[in-house]
This record gives sequence, structure tokens and C-alpha cells, in this order.
Amino acid sequence: AQSVTQLGSHVSVSEGALVLLRCNYSSSVPPYLFWYVQYPNQGLQLLLKYTSAATLVKGINGFEAEFKKSETSFHLTKPSAHMSDAAEYFCAVTPSRPNTGFQKLVFGTGTRLLVSP
Amino acid sequence: EAGVTQFPSHSVIEKGQTVTLRCDPISGHDNLYWYRRVMGKEIKFLLHFVKESKQDESGMPNNRFLAERTGGTYSTLKVQPAELEDSGVYFCASSHATGFKDEQYFGPGTRLTVT
Repeated sequence: AQSVTQLGSHVSVSEGALVLLRCNYSSSVPPYLFWYVQYPNQGLQLLLKYTSAATLVKGINGFEAEFKKSETSFHLTKPSAHMSDAAEYFCAVTPSRPNTGFQKLVFGTGTRLLVSP
Repeated sequence: EAGVTQFPSHSVIEKGQTVTLRCDPISGHDNLYWYRRVMGKEIKFLLHFVKESKQDESGMPNNRFLAERTGGTYSTLKVQPAELEDSGVYFCASSHATGFKDEQYFGPGTRLTVT
């Protein structure tokens, strides 16, 4: 079984500051990991995904995440926050060898990023 | 290309009433998923269609929920009768094929409030 823990339901940063959103996972098999973002009144959009290739994954809008097996973590970072980054971010996991052959996503509870001028 | 659309965007109903949510996937996507987010909690998988067939409905809460996808195009999720705990945001997603490389595209969700 898989599970995801996102520490902090809200994270506040100033514009230009480092963004760090934390995600820890639990998985009985090697996982595939994802970060999604939801802007107001929009659907979830895939930011990036880890699928057992490079451990440092680069995504859209300057975000990146690093898979650390020893820490069971997949934290999301961005060097410099923009006002437009204000949104809710979701970490998700799926088993790398799903029994049913499809990508059933298990999500964390989400982290709302607030960016102040 | 149009994205995944969901209707209505919001619905407020009384306990005991019936509500039907609709999802139109991206054209050509055989896979359609329903997820639900209860306030403050994680987004949870409800079920998965491949074309018109239910592939996995292990996440459906109980038999008050009925999902259909007639003709393998749009899908409906009916809640009858609605209970207070059914309140939340219902997301629909679609993908072209299964497997981790096939991104799920999400709709904006339907916010259901049961009073």
C-alpha cells in the first residue's frame, strides 16, 4: 500500500524567496512520484514526475524535486518564488508495477503556498 | 484542444436529495477516473473506466454512488440519496492510455455541498 504525507497545510514565503514544499511517501514497492498544482478555479496540472530515471526531476515553471530513497522523500523546490506560484500543491504516488496495470494515484492532503510581495 | 470539463461547478443540495455530476473527458481518451476530496483531506480515488467498462471501482464509498459512462464518452456520477458526508470536491481525470507515462488530465472539479 502507498501513502503520502505533506508536512504543512500552508506555507508562506516572500516573493523571491526559496520555495520548499515537503513530501514523504510510503510504498511497499518502488514508487513513481508526482507533484500536481491547482490554481484557483482550475483543474490539477502536472508539475513534474519521477519514474525511476534521474533522481533530480525538473518540471514546469522552474520547479524541481529530488527523489531520496533513503529519506523516502520527494520535496518540491523553486529557487525564487513568484506571485503567480500561489496555489495548492499536491504530492502523489503510484506503484511502479501496478497490479491492475493502470496509474491509480494516491495523494497527500495538499499544501497551499502563499506568496507575499 | 479542449480540456476535461465538469458540470456543474458547484451544487448545493439537501440531505436525501439526488445529484448527478457530469464529466466530459478529452476527446479520444479511453481512460476516465473519478476522485474526491473531502474538505481538508487528501484526494481519493473513486473509480476508473476504460471506455464504457468499469476497470476498478474499489474507491466507491457505498452503493449510494453510481457511475456510468455510456458509449465510452462522457461519464456521470450520481449520488442518491445524498448524505452530509458526501460533501466535497469531485474531480474527473482522463488519460489516453494506462501506465505511468500517460498523464492524467484533471478537470476543475465539482464542489458538492450537502446541507
